[in-house]
Amino acid sequence: ILNVEQSPQSLHVQEGDSTNFTCSFPSSNFYALHWYRWETAKSPEALFVMTLNGDEKKKGRISATLNTKEGYSYLYIKGSQPEDSATYLCASPRGGTASKLTFGTGTRLQVTL
Amino acid sequence: GAVVSQHPSWVICKSGTSVKIECRSLDFQATTMFWYRQFPKQSLMLMATSNEGSKATYEQGVEKDKFLINHASLTLSTLTVTSAHPEDSSFYICSAPRPSGLREQYFGPGTRLTVT
Repeated sequence: ILNVEQSPQSLHVQEGDSTNFTCSFPSSNFYALHWYRWETAKSPEALFVMTLNGDEKKKGRISATLNTKEGYSYLYIKGSQPEDSATYLCASPRGGTASKLTFGTGTRLQVTL
Repeated sequence: GAVVSQHPSWVICKSGTSVKIECRSLDFQATTMFWYRQFPKQSLMLMATSNEGSKATYEQGVEKDKFLINHASLTLSTLTVTSAHPEDSSFYICSAPRPSGLREQYFGPGTRLTVT
């Protein structure tokens, strides 16, 4: 069984704050680590797919790092904005890069003015 | 714009009836699609893998006769909840992997099913 865990479960920050979340996953038989942003009433949207140990990816104010040896990934948001409010999910495929995903429970971020 | 559509977005049905949910890939072909279910305050749980032209593969504990999956074309997978009961009320969402590259998943917007 592939267990993917995320923390914290929820987070409430003020506009302008920087924040980060954690995703942990089994380090054995690693294929990839996905991050998705899921806004209310919308489809989950892929942020990053990371495959290499030490990988760091960035999209605007959001970045992510990956440590496959110890089995964790961090997602960072710099200068949070209200539009960043969403649930952030990480997931790992079980049997190959395009295979079914095991999801963490998500981190629900709320950014207020 | 959306690359995977899902219909309906919500449905209310009576116990004992069947409900069909459609998942379509837009502008790309998807030989494989995935169906997930989410209970309140829980993660997305994979129910089954839908394979174009062959039988779906179901996760342990998911009744294949209860949740019928048909992947009749390269752009359409359907999930039919048969003889629905209140405990089938949930949020159902489908996805398809990007055809190339890092294979991130494209998700539909989900379907909220309520069985009364």
